[in-house]
Amino acid sequence: EVQLVEFGGVVVQPGGSLRLSCAASGFNFEDYTMYWVRQLPGKGLEWVSLIRWDGDTTYYADSLEGRFTTSRDNSKKFLYLQMNSLRIEDTALYHCAKATRAGDCSGSRCLFYGMDVWGQGTTVTVSS
Amino acid sequence: DIQMTQSPSSVSASVGDRVTITCRASQGIGTSLAWYQQRPGKAPKLLIYAASSLQGGVPSRFSGSRSGTEFTLSISSLQPEDFATYFCQQTNSFPPTFGGGTKVEIK
Repeated sequence: EVQLVEFGGVVVQPGGSLRLSCAASGFNFEDYTMYWVRQLPGKGLEWVSLIRWDGDTTYYADSLEGRFTTSRDNSKKFLYLQMNSLRIEDTALYHCAKATRAGDCSGSRCLFYGMDVWGQGTTVTVSS
Repeated sequence: DIQMTQSPSSVSASVGDRVTITCRASQGIGTSLAWYQQRPGKAPKLLIYAASSLQGGVPSRFSGSRSGTEFTLSISSLQPEDFATYFCQQTNSFPPTFGGGTKVEIK
């Protein structure tokens, strides 16, 4: 069974840092582009980042202003989101998700087929 | 950024009804659109990609279509497990933006 499980979400003060992890199983993790998407309280979905299968190329939402970094360890089948200078507006449920199709892609073509499997999410609360 | 305007925000329907949800993109995105279902407390699930391609394992009562910058998700005969929130997402360009969601509720 294809599965993604996120963890690492906690309550953190504004200005703090946090690293989220996503454990993948049931598929060839190293073949897939991966994403982070957050769900704001009572609101909709916001794409956070994308990392290609090889980990060499990443894309981020402009609204993050360079505060977040996505990485992956293909040998361990883990995806990470390093979050720095956290703000109250970063409070959300953070999901990791996998690309629908395996293989190489470039630029926006990495988005085309959507995200077929998502994790349940881990909650990050930024509060003083 | 491309804005995705989804309507209605909620709809009440009965089992067996046909339900239609619409997403309008603020600019042309070709067929670069996905639809997701999210049941309460669960992770989103991909239903449709490339505007009209049914994801594997998704029942055939779900279908997607496109007319210009307007996209439609149809559920031909609503089943109890279909009561959920549905989101569209443009997959044409960064950032891949989502619609605001449509909650399908039991009438």
